[in-house]
Parts: sequence; structure tokens; C-alpha cells
Amino acid sequence: ETGVTQTPRHLVMGMTNKKSLKCEQHLGHNAMYWYKQSAKKPLELMFVYNFKEQTENNSVPSRFSPECPNSSHLFLHLHTLQPEDSALYLCASSQEVGLAGVTYEQYFGPGTRLTVT
Amino acid sequence: AQTVTQSQPEMSVQEAETVTLSCTYDTSESDYYLFWYKQPPSRQMILVIRQEAYKQQNATENRFSVNFQKAAKSFSLKISDSQLGDAAMYFCAYRSDQVLNNDMRFGAGTRLTVKP
Repeated sequence: ETGVTQTPRHLVMGMTNKKSLKCEQHLGHNAMYWYKQSAKKPLELMFVYNFKEQTENNSVPSRFSPECPNSSHLFLHLHTLQPEDSALYLCASSQEVGLAGVTYEQYFGPGTRLTVT
Repeated sequence: AQTVTQSQPEMSVQEAETVTLSCTYDTSESDYYLFWYKQPPSRQMILVIRQEAYKQQNATENRFSVNFQKAAKSFSLKISDSQLGDAAMYFCAYRSDQVLNNDMRFGAGTRLTVKP
């Protein structure tokens, strides 16, 4: 395992539901990410948090709302999703600064398979 | 903006043979990192190998090695003595060397099938 966990692993929700995805990293990293992985498309970066501060939001619809209460936890709050939001949502973490020889590789969680009905 | 291209959507290899996966990228930066990630079916994406652009020597990790051609902006992955467990999606990725510029760019992936 990579040291990054995600729950739940599978989620089916209706378009009017509200749910949250959780990610936790046990690596002491200071950056965390949310990605969307759809079939036959490159990974889409959604949100980046450096030192608990959001530094990037790649034009993600407001029905996706991230939260980073500390450097180890990351949430993605979902509400009024659309069927096209069905995908695998991956969380990742990396060490950006503070360690000698940092090389920026990202460590990924197993993902949450989301189906919007 | 940097882009990463993997021109082979699917590849197959016979067990114990060697296969090379292609990756090209576009950048105006001189310092950066390149990665190959492996995503087995229904399993976590894991790092296979990493290359720093300032290093001329190609990275090697056991049966995995890269051919890094900086001038050509090419970064191919060679898998020697292929095993059934190598079957997976392989993603090439680019990352700037700038601190906190952590927008890693991924290619669309290559699905590798290993035939027994």
C-alpha cells in the first residue's frame, strides 16, 4: 500500500444527495490533491492543497467542494451531482518542501468509484 | 502549458519478453521531473520509476528502465522479462522543478497486456 487511504471505496448516489469522500495520508506529506479519472481520458487535477491552503482549482464546478482541515486529511463534499460526474476519484499526497532531496512524486490512494444515478 | 502524450493506447507483450512504452512531452522548462506510474486493474496507482531532467544517466529500477532523450523530449519505459503482474495501465507524468508548482501533468495512459 502507498500510505494513502480513501473511503468509501464505492459510492452510488442520486443527483439530489449530499455525500463526502474522505482521504487520509500517513506519510507526513504537506500537499494533497483530488483527481478525477474517467475512462479513456487523462487524469484531471481538481484541487491542490499546500500546507492546508488551497492553491489550485482547475475550474471545477461548485457542486464539488473540498475541505482540508489539516495536512493529513482531505475531503471532497458532493452535492447535486450530474451523471457525467460518475468516475474514479483519486486522492494523492506529496512532499513539496522541507526535506532534502525532495523529488515531488505523488502517492495515490485506491480511489472512490462514484456512480451518479 | 506542459503536455504529455502517450501515443500507444494499448500494447501487448509475451511473458518473459521486453516491451517499450512511449511518452513524449512538451515544455519550455529546463529543469523538471518525469515519472512512470502503474495502475493495475482495481488497484492503487504506484510509482514505477522517476527521472530528474538534470541527470543524463537513465533511471533503472530492477526490470524497469527508461530511455530519456531530453532534446527530443522523449521518455520511454522499457520493461524487461515481462511478468503477468506487469499487466496494468501505465501513465507517464511531468512535474516542474519549481517548488509548490505541483500541477503534475499526466498522459492518457497505455494499457499493457501480458500474454502467458
